[in-house]
Amino acid sequence: GAGVSQSPRYKVAKRGQDVALRCDPISGHVSLFWYQQALGQGPEFLTYFQNEAQLDKSGLPSDRFFAERPEGSVSTLKIQRTQQEDSAVYLCASSPPRQDTQYFGPGTRLTVL
Amino acid sequence: QKEVEQDPGPLSVPEGAIVSLNCTYSNSAFQYFMWYRQYSRKGPELLMYTYSSGNKEDGRFTAQVDKSSKYISLFIRDSQPSDSATYLCAMTRTGGFKTIFGAGTRLFVKA
Repeated sequence: GAGVSQSPRYKVAKRGQDVALRCDPISGHVSLFWYQQALGQGPEFLTYFQNEAQLDKSGLPSDRFFAERPEGSVSTLKIQRTQQEDSAVYLCASSPPRQDTQYFGPGTRLTVL
Repeated sequence: QKEVEQDPGPLSVPEGAIVSLNCTYSNSAFQYFMWYRQYSRKGPELLMYTYSSGNKEDGRFTAQVDKSSKYISLFIRDSQPSDSATYLCAMTRTGGFKTIFGAGTRLFVKA
């Protein structure tokens, strides 16, 4: 079956622009995670959804970052007024019910100029 | 100090060698330990998943967890050029879902 998909794969934004990154999890997966991966670093947790409920957003770096999953499937990570330090790969992962295994998408590489 | 420490490498070995990758951690609450493989411009892919202390073997891969030393390892036997990737250790607490990753070790296996 299809894996986790993310779009766009690459995004270039000018400083100050708003961006929206989309994640399509594997069908039936209840849990959804967003991570930020800087160059040469491991993924850093941003936020977690169980169905449509955002249970943990402690990793979001600032109030410019916002994530939603209104119908419990597709999720969008929005970054307002992008800054150069937001440049990173944004990874989405999903997990099936009652399992801890996370399946990752290919990521969206965001470059802020 | 980071919760999870991992030597970034790079680590270069000849084909057929045994590879040892390691992580140390500081939070004794971690109970679930994972190893992911990440190829360039791809998302991480789960290789091994271990609960608490002990060993787990899957084909050419063996994961070891020593909770008393807060030290985990991944061994790759008969390494292949296709094993060239970044290997990330990761861990979570019981009842938690926030996964903490190491920085990743870049591995190169030379043919």
